[in-house]
Parts: sequence; structure tokens; C-alpha cells
Amino acid sequence: NAGVTQTPKFQVLKTGQSMTLQCAQDMNHNSMYWYRQDPGMGLRLIYYSASEGTTDKGEVPNGYNVSRLNKREFSLRLESAAPSQTSVYFCASSGLGYINQPQHFGDGTRLSIL
Amino acid sequence: DQQVKQNSPSLSVQEGRISILNCDYTNSMFDYFLWYKKYPAEGPTFLISISSIKDKNEDGRFTVFLNKSAKHLSLHIVPSQPGDSAVYFCAALSNYGGATNKLIFGTGTLLAVQP
Repeated sequence: NAGVTQTPKFQVLKTGQSMTLQCAQDMNHNSMYWYRQDPGMGLRLIYYSASEGTTDKGEVPNGYNVSRLNKREFSLRLESAAPSQTSVYFCASSGLGYINQPQHFGDGTRLSIL
Repeated sequence: DQQVKQNSPSLSVQEGRISILNCDYTNSMFDYFLWYKKYPAEGPTFLISISSIKDKNEDGRFTVFLNKSAKHLSLHIVPSQPGDSAVYFCAALSNYGGATNKLIFGTGTLLAVQP
């Protein structure tokens, strides 16, 4: 059971380049999330998708776009990367909240922007 | 403004003793709280949670206490084991039971359990 799978695990970009981080879950979860983790900042929500076909902004959405491709996949795109976007990015998924289902996380993508 | 605060960046305890990790929050609308554990190069994993209608929840060696009047929660690990060495994140959410759980995370506490 893979859970939440993120690709790639590591990436180095130059300022201004674009890239898409991929995330897929095999737990039939409705909701998916993208976070970034920076030193001393904890995890901050970038975007989330409550269900297939819907996306909403989180705490730090500027500079990012997302696509909920289907129920399994939720991608995060950086259109023009900036050094401030150097971070570790985590994707997560969860079932419906009232069933008391905590979020399950992938192992992260470590992104460096030069 | 940090709504969930973990004021101790690190904590060191001896194996077999109790570890107490603390978390404070400012938003009185939070109604559900969770603790996640994170090893290096891995994603956070869910550890234990508590609803705001309770003041204690226990799961094996892990117990979470909630003091709503003080807006404070703590995670107790008894007895501590070397495998517990990790970063522990406190997280909170409001509108629990809604379609989406939007978590607010603290900054984490690095626990080191010395053999």
C-alpha cells in the first residue's frame, strides 16, 4: 500500500524556470493538500482540494497553481520559480472530516531554486 | 501571526523517562487538535488527536491533554524510547467535520531520547 506518492524527491531549478510537482494517493481520499515546510515555520498550507474538481487557496498560495487531475492526483505548479520558493513540499490526503480521518503525508519533494 | 505555537525547539530526555511536549494556541475557534511525528527525509505521520469536548486522550504510551481555558495542550510519552526521537508537530483545525480539514501547524519540537 503506497499511500501518498510524490515525484520527484529532489529538484534543483534556476530562477524563472517552471516545474510541476506530482502527487498521487491510492486511499480513495476525497481531499488533498499541498504544504511547504521551511526552517522555523512549521508546515504551511499552499492549496487544497476538498474534492475532485475543486481547489482553494490556503495560507501561502502566491506563486503557485494547482490542478486536481482526478480523484487520485493533485499537482502543484511553479510557473516562474523564485529563490523564496526553495523549500520542502509535502502533499497530503484525507477522507471526510466527520469520520475522524487524519491527513496522510507523502515523503516530500526537496526543491532548491538558485 | 502564529496561531499554534511550540515554544521549545528541542527537548532531550533519558530513555525510560517521561517526555512532555507543549503547544499553545490563540484561536478559540479551534475544535480539534492533532500531533504528528516526523523523521528526517520522511513525511509527517499522525500520532494522536483530541477533540475540544475532551480534556484527555490516551493511546498506549502517548497521552494528549487539553486545557481549553489556557489554550494549551501537551503530549506525554511514557516511557520514552530512542525510537521516539523525531520532530513533533502540534496541529489544530476549526470546523472539524467539514468537507476539508485545513490544519494549522506549529513550528515543531525536536525530541531526542538518550539511551
